Amino acid sequence: QVQLVESGGGVVQPGRSLRLSCAASRFTFSSYGMHWVRQAPGKGLEWVAVIWYDGTKKYYADSVKGRFTISRDNSKKTLYLQMNSLRAEDTALYYCARDPGLAAAGDAFDIWGRGTMVTVSS
Amino acid sequence: DIQMTQSPSSLSASVGDRVTITCRASQSISRYLNWYQQTPGKAPKLLIYAASSLQSGVPSRFSGSRSGTDFTLTISGLQPEDFATYYCQQSYSTPTFGQGTKLEIK
Repeated sequence: QVQLVESGGGVVQPGRSLRLSCAASRFTFSSYGMHWVRQAPGKGLEWVAVIWYDGTKKYYADSVKGRFTISRDNSKKTLYLQMNSLRAEDTALYYCARDPGLAAAGDAFDIWGRGTMVTVSS
Repeated sequence: DIQMTQSPSSLSASVGDRVTITCRASQSISRYLNWYQQTPGKAPKLLIYAASSLQSGVPSRFSGSRSGTDFTLTISGLQPEDFATYYCQQSYSTPTFGQGTKLEIK
């Protein structure tokens, strides 16, 4: 079964850094764009970043631009999110999600991990 | 950013009912609108993409439609497993989500 498994979350002080990972299995990881989407406790969904299938293009939400970096290692079938200068408002459950690559759908999310929780607190 | 406004924010219904959730975009997004279902403690699930295309494996009681910048998700014949929170998401530009509609059992 197609699967995404996030890891790397935890409790971190404001201003510090954290790196999230997302391990993919049972699909051709290198053929798909990948996203990070987050959800603050009790709140809705917020798109964070996308990386193209080959890593050549990356885009970010304004709220994280300049602080977060998305990357991937297709040989390891793993997606990353480097988060620097963390703020309290970055506290959320971070999901990685696969883009199905359907032209009609634009950026969509068809496979999701279970998420990894990031808490930014002093 | 394009704003997505969902209504209602919450809704009570009974098993077997037909329910409609609406999402309005702040500007034209063509058909670049996707719908997701999220049950408590779980990741979202893609239901509908491109306004009206049913994602593989999703029951046919779910349907989507578009009228200009207004989009509708309809569930015909509610089942117990359909009680969840539903989100719309535009994919015309930088992705943004609606605020969600919580569907509860009456």
